[in-house]
Amino acid sequence: QQQVKQSPQSLIVQKGGISIINCAYENTAFDYFPWYQQFPGKGPALLIAIRPDVSEKKEGRFTISFNKSAKQFSLHIMDSQPGDSATYFCAAASQGGSEKLVFGKGTKLTVNP
Amino acid sequence: NAGVTQTPKFRILKIGQSMTLQCTQDMNHNYMYWYRQDPGMGLKLIYYSVGAGITDKGEVPNGYNVSRSTTEDFPLRLELAAPSQTSVYFCASSGKPQRNEQFFGPGTRLTVL
Repeated sequence: QQQVKQSPQSLIVQKGGISIINCAYENTAFDYFPWYQQFPGKGPALLIAIRPDVSEKKEGRFTISFNKSAKQFSLHIMDSQPGDSATYFCAAASQGGSEKLVFGKGTKLTVNP
Repeated sequence: NAGVTQTPKFRILKIGQSMTLQCTQDMNHNYMYWYRQDPGMGLKLIYYSVGAGITDKGEVPNGYNVSRSTTEDFPLRLELAAPSQTSVYFCASSGKPQRNEQFFGPGTRLTVL
């Protein structure tokens, strides 16, 4: 019930291509869905987040698509760049209380020049 | 602002030894969290705190203890270190105005031999 399933585990994309990472959840109480980006040797940092009242959110080259009925959300990176090479984590939380995040297992993205 | 700071950056422990991982934040956040990150496993919540004097267990609390005597500090104590505690440990905090956004420290890489 508390799991967030993320795929793929790793992804290799050519420069300029589109990177797509998918996540699925089961707990219908989740109402906050962030994506975190982590570079080697660093802590994760918030990249973009969405709430279920919208189906899509775009910030620059990064877009979250959200499908409430399917309980799925995905991260799209347009025009992928070598500097986007990092590990990406999806997460989910429910409002109120401790604001605890449940994380997916991560996707290692490599963008080849 | 320094954000979330963690010490030490690296540590090697022998089986059965104890140590404290330090975490300090200067953002006046009420919420603080400890995670461990193992390869391919994402981030697992160890303990969290919703304010000074209040702590609670996360998903993987066994072998760890925490305290929260001040808003700024949230140390994690390892008693009787075991090889299974070899991991990278991240501290995070969140608070107003964006309660859901967690800010992570740079991590502590711990090896237990």
